[in-house]
Amino acid sequence: SQTIHQWPATLVQPVGSPLSLECTVEGTSNPNLYWYRQAAGRGLQLLFYSVGIGQISSEVPQNLSASRPQDRQFILSSKKLLLSDSGFYLCAWSVQGSSGNTIYFGEGSWLTVV
Amino acid sequence: QQQVKQSPQSLIVQKGGIPIINCAYENTAFDYFPWYQQFPGKGPALLIAIRPDVSEKKEGRFTISFNKSAKQFSLHIMDSQPGDSATYFCAVNDGNTGKLIFGQGTTLQVKP
Repeated sequence: SQTIHQWPATLVQPVGSPLSLECTVEGTSNPNLYWYRQAAGRGLQLLFYSVGIGQISSEVPQNLSASRPQDRQFILSSKKLLLSDSGFYLCAWSVQGSSGNTIYFGEGSWLTVV
Repeated sequence: QQQVKQSPQSLIVQKGGIPIINCAYENTAFDYFPWYQQFPGKGPALLIAIRPDVSEKKEGRFTISFNKSAKQFSLHIMDSQPGDSATYFCAVNDGNTGKLIFGQGTTLQVKP
């Protein structure tokens, strides 16, 4: 069966510090990978998605970047965090080429920028 | 521009009641309509989904009703339980881009 792991689960970082959130998927090959942000316990905002190694699409302009160095690894980064970067970050995956595009989410990472 | 509008924002029902959450969309290219359930501090999980060629789908106590002509779909929870208290998100899949677009979510509280 497929599993998705995301870490760290919680993070408190000062303004201006760097960020690295990591996500790995097991039990599948060549998945679509996604980073979402959920602010204030509400809607899900798609930040980045990737259809393959090194292929990253950004959905919104922001202070964050994403990378996919391996097939099942997805990393969310920032060089200098802003207060507005605080939120609940979710990694997710889906099967490439599937009709229906069910997305499976990780457990999330709480980021507080202070 | 919000491509999928979800209502209500929050909902409180008594145990055994039937909460109904509604979503409306505009783009006819949407071809898959899932609902996700999210408990506090956890990632959302797929609850039930429907394709536009059927008008209703049931899985246990959860039912999706789909009205293609009105471009609306809704989630009904039969015999609701306190354990159903969670945030529910509808979503639409854009058949042209393959992207899943989420509604703003509904926070449901089922009182014992």
